[in-house]
Amino acid sequence: GQNIDQPTEMTATEGAIVQINCTYQTSGFNGLFWYQQHAGEAPTFLSYNVLDGLEEKGRFSSFLSRSKGYSYLLLKELQMKDSASYLCAVRDSNYQLIWGAGTKLIIKP
Amino acid sequence: GAVVSQHPSRVICKSGTSVKIECRSLDFQATTMFWYRQFPKKSLMLMATSNEGSKATYEQGVEKDKFLINHASLTLSTLTVTSAHPEDNSFYICSARKTSGDYNEQFFGPGTRLTVL
Repeated sequence: GQNIDQPTEMTATEGAIVQINCTYQTSGFNGLFWYQQHAGEAPTFLSYNVLDGLEEKGRFSSFLSRSKGYSYLLLKELQMKDSASYLCAVRDSNYQLIWGAGTKLIIKP
Repeated sequence: GAVVSQHPSRVICKSGTSVKIECRSLDFQATTMFWYRQFPKKSLMLMATSNEGSKATYEQGVEKDKFLINHASLTLSTLTVTSAHPEDNSFYICSARKTSGDYNEQFFGPGTRLTVL
């Protein structure tokens, strides 16, 4: 079966750095996405990785290792507004997005 | 940009009635749109994939006669929840795939919160 695993919840301090991990087992791979979702709102796109390595976009970076079926989202200089759920999604061989359950990130002052 | 709108944002209805939700891609054409359902504190669950001008492809366990999808144009898809009941209470989110660009990104609508009394 297809499976995306990420931690259920994480807590971090304002101004710090946090890394959210995602491991996946899917039928085929056509890219990995990270989305941010605030409570009661739709997901918003953060990053996309299809080749191994690190993609940096401002305070957010995303890393992919296809051989390990592993990705992480790195958030630097955390702000209170970063409190949200972070969803990892993998596009499989049928170009369908397979979603993780999301990681709820709690930022404390 | 790529903006997707949904209407209504919130709907409350009586049990047994039908509810229609519209999803529009405002500044791009979307040959493929997706309908998701999200229960509280759960991840997105794909309900169906809608291709313009053809029948939608439903995920296993999703009743196609209950959740009617119409993708009549390249910018509009509708989801009709027929004979809604409290177990249908959920957050319904559509997304549209932009076929141009490097990676065919999906853009999400703001979602529709359905409450069935």
